[in-house]
This record gives sequence, structure tokens and C-alpha cells, in this order.
Amino acid sequence: QQQVKQSPQSLIVQKGGISIINCAYENTAFDYFPWYQQFPGKGPALLIAIRPDVSEKKEGRFTISFNKSAKQFSLHIMDSQPGDSATYFCAAFPSGGYQKVTFGIGTKLQVIP
Amino acid sequence: NAGVMQNPRHLVRRRGQEARLRCSPVKGHSHVYWYRQLPEEGLKFMVYLQKENIIDESGMPKERFSAEFPKEGPSILRIQQVVRGDSAAYFCASSPRTGGKNIQYFGAGTRLSVL
Repeated sequence: QQQVKQSPQSLIVQKGGISIINCAYENTAFDYFPWYQQFPGKGPALLIAIRPDVSEKKEGRFTISFNKSAKQFSLHIMDSQPGDSATYFCAAFPSGGYQKVTFGIGTKLQVIP
Repeated sequence: NAGVMQNPRHLVRRRGQEARLRCSPVKGHSHVYWYRQLPEEGLKFMVYLQKENIIDESGMPKERFSAEFPKEGPSILRIQQVVRGDSAAYFCASSPRTGGKNIQYFGAGTRLSVL
């Protein structure tokens, strides 16, 4: 059972364009939503994260938008660059002390020149 | 990837052999998590360990798989009698403590190929 649904699974964006990746969750016990970036042959690395008490968080060219009522959140990459080409995973942590994180299936982003 | 070391990076085994994957967490981290990533799939939680304790192994197959995190030394994920379906990338992550939302730092993974 996929508790965090991520789409699209692959995305091709022109350099300078906006990349948008969406995630939806069902479990209202989730209360922390990070995005991870993974380059080929590497492990995932935390990119940006948000809590549900804010609707948007921006770090440089990366922005998370969060819609608590719809139980959806998305990653926007502004001015996408070829160096952003990677696989992006959304994730969700439950409230409480134990960090059994649930990952989305991943989105393979390719930014073409 | 703040210092989680996994080895080997690549491991080739024949069916029926044992695979032993090692993970040295970031210095000072006492919590280790193992994940499996199949081709074209996301990361699937396998097991969560603290020093000398298995906290949650709900994601680990009941047979052939075991994990440990001894007081001294790296965490070990052990797969006995490997089958082709075990071929995957296995990632280890560590965090300094539970509670709050501590960042999990991932290693570069071990890519297991079963012939």
C-alpha cells in the first residue's frame, strides 16, 4: 500500500523552466515532509523539508508548497538547470518519536539544454 | 551524505551464497536504518536499529534477512542464500537520536547483484 503517492515518475524540462513534482498522502499522522535528491550512484540527500503549519517554504531555487486540507505537497524547481537532473523523492514522517519515514516512488528529472 | 560509509559499493553473489553489507554511521550517531531500492522503485524501509537493539524490523523479509548494530563496529545487513530477487541497491542511513525530526544521512549504497 503506497502511503505517499508521487507523480510524475519521469519529467523532462527545458533549461530555465520550472520543474514541478507532486505528492499526496493519506495518513493524517504525517507531520514532516522532506524532499530528497539522488544522483546516479549516490545515496539520497535531504534537499528541503516542510512542516504542515506553513504553506510554503523556499530555499534558493527550490520551493515546497503544502496544502494541508488536500493532503498534498509539491516541489517546484525554478530556473531548472542540467545539474538538477536527478531523481527526487518526497517523504513523510509520522508524528511522535520514531522516524519510520515513508518515501514516494521517485521522479526522475531530466533538464535538457 | 554526511559521512555514512557503506561497503562494499558493489557486491556480486551467486544464488545460494551469503551477502554481508556493512554500514558505518556518522560518528556519534546511534540510530541506523536500512532501506532497499529496487530498479525504478522508491526506497523501502527494512529495519531500524539502535546500538545492540532492533527497534523495528517490520520491513524486513522474515526469512534469510537479518541485521545487527553491535556496540562496537558497523551495522551489518546479512542476506543468506541469496536469490535473484534480492538484486537491488541497499542504503543505510543514520541519525543522531530519535525524537523530533532528525535528518537521516544516507550512505552511497551497496549494489547487490545476484547471478
